[in-house]
Amino acid sequence: EDQVTQSPEALRLQEGESSSLNCSYTVSGLRGLFWYRQDPGKGPEFLFTLYSAGEEKEKERLKATLTKKESFLHITAPKPEDSATYLCAPSYSGGGADGLTFGKGTHLIIQP
Amino acid sequence: DAGVTQSPTHLIKTRGQHVTLRCSPISGHKSVSWYQQVLGQGPQFIFQYYEKEERGRGNFPDRFSARQFPNYSSELNVNALLLGDSALYLCASSLEGTAQPQHFGDGTRLSIL
Repeated sequence: EDQVTQSPEALRLQEGESSSLNCSYTVSGLRGLFWYRQDPGKGPEFLFTLYSAGEEKEKERLKATLTKKESFLHITAPKPEDSATYLCAPSYSGGGADGLTFGKGTHLIIQP
Repeated sequence: DAGVTQSPTHLIKTRGQHVTLRCSPISGHKSVSWYQQVLGQGPQFIFQYYEKEERGRGNFPDRFSARQFPNYSSELNVNALLLGDSALYLCASSLEGTAQPQHFGDGTRLSIL
């Protein structure tokens, strides 16, 4: 049973073309929702933490938002260096496991 | 400040062998977590340790074990290696628990022949 679903799986945009990535989750007892960026051959790089519905965080061309069942990562006027895989991960209580549950990620390519 | 460091960066083993992977957390971080990432998938949680105690365990067989030392560094051990254990093994550290941001190292690429 998938608890975290990210869409689309892959996205190709032109430089400057804004878009949004989706992360939907079915976990209960959410303690926080994390967004990461991962470049090939590297570990995930932390971007944002969102703790409650309605919360928003911004960093350069990225803005993350959170509702009760999903989160969006909005990318405004992206540049080629924004190309990466973007991962979301809720942290939730229960089940005995205390780690993050990652989605499969969205592979984003920004063409110049 | 140094980030999370992992060693070795690459490792090749054969089936049936065992392996030890090492992780040094960011200075001041007391919690270490281990993840397995296979190609095309997100990282999958293996263990979390805090103050040398196991706080959580993912859905992995008993061949996987870990420990955390007094200096908060950690080791992940895998026994009786299988071909399916080939993956990128990631270590992440955080100040305390997983409700706080975890910061990842660049991982150990383990290949099983």
